[in-house]
Amino acid sequence: QVQLQESGPGLVKPSGTLSLTCAVSGGSISSSHWWTWVRQPPGKGLEWIGEIYHSGSTNYNPSLKSRVTISVDKSEKQFSLKLSSVTAADTAVYYCARAGVDRPNVGLFDYWGQGTLVTVSS
Amino acid sequence: DIQMTQSPSSLSASVGDRVTITCRASQSIFNYLNWYQQKPGKGPKLLIYGATSLQSGVPSRFSGSGSGTDFTLTISSLQPEDFATYCCQQSYGTPYTFGQGTKLEIK
Repeated sequence: QVQLQESGPGLVKPSGTLSLTCAVSGGSISSSHWWTWVRQPPGKGLEWIGEIYHSGSTNYNPSLKSRVTISVDKSEKQFSLKLSSVTAADTAVYYCARAGVDRPNVGLFDYWGQGTLVTVSS
Repeated sequence: DIQMTQSPSSLSASVGDRVTITCRASQSIFNYLNWYQQKPGKGPKLLIYGATSLQSGVPSRFSGSGSGTDFTLTISSLQPEDFATYCCQQSYGTPYTFGQGTKLEIK
């Protein structure tokens, strides 16, 4: 059973950089999957941030692309999210998830972490 | 981006009721439509993928239908554990997008 666990600071100052890590257990991070970040602002819907393959290939949401970096550390079995120049609008619960690489499983999120709340405030 | 619109945004129902939630895409997404269940403090749980396929381990009272732009999620007989928020998501293309969610509450 694949398990994903997010970790990182729960409070980030405006204009700072949000940094989160997702630890993967019960499965290989080098398997044929896209490792994904999704967020949910309070009271709003889910928003796809981006994804990374174990080779390092990435896809990002154009709305966030200029501020987002997703990386993978296969030796540590984890992948990470960095979001720069944050504002209050980036306050959200951040989830990591797993998606497939081939149709029909591309963009299909079958395992999720429990999420971590990140608040942007001074 | 493909916009996903769900209705209703909230719904009150009783145990044993049959409920239907709808999701509309701003363009055809063929059958690349997935449904998730969200409960407080937990990550979303995949229920239905490919518009109609039941994810392993999900009870058969959940079903999905539709193709193109209009989709539905039906729960045939509500159980106490089904009171949660449900959202749809298109996996036709990036950026993947989600509906705003439907909160299912106990009447």
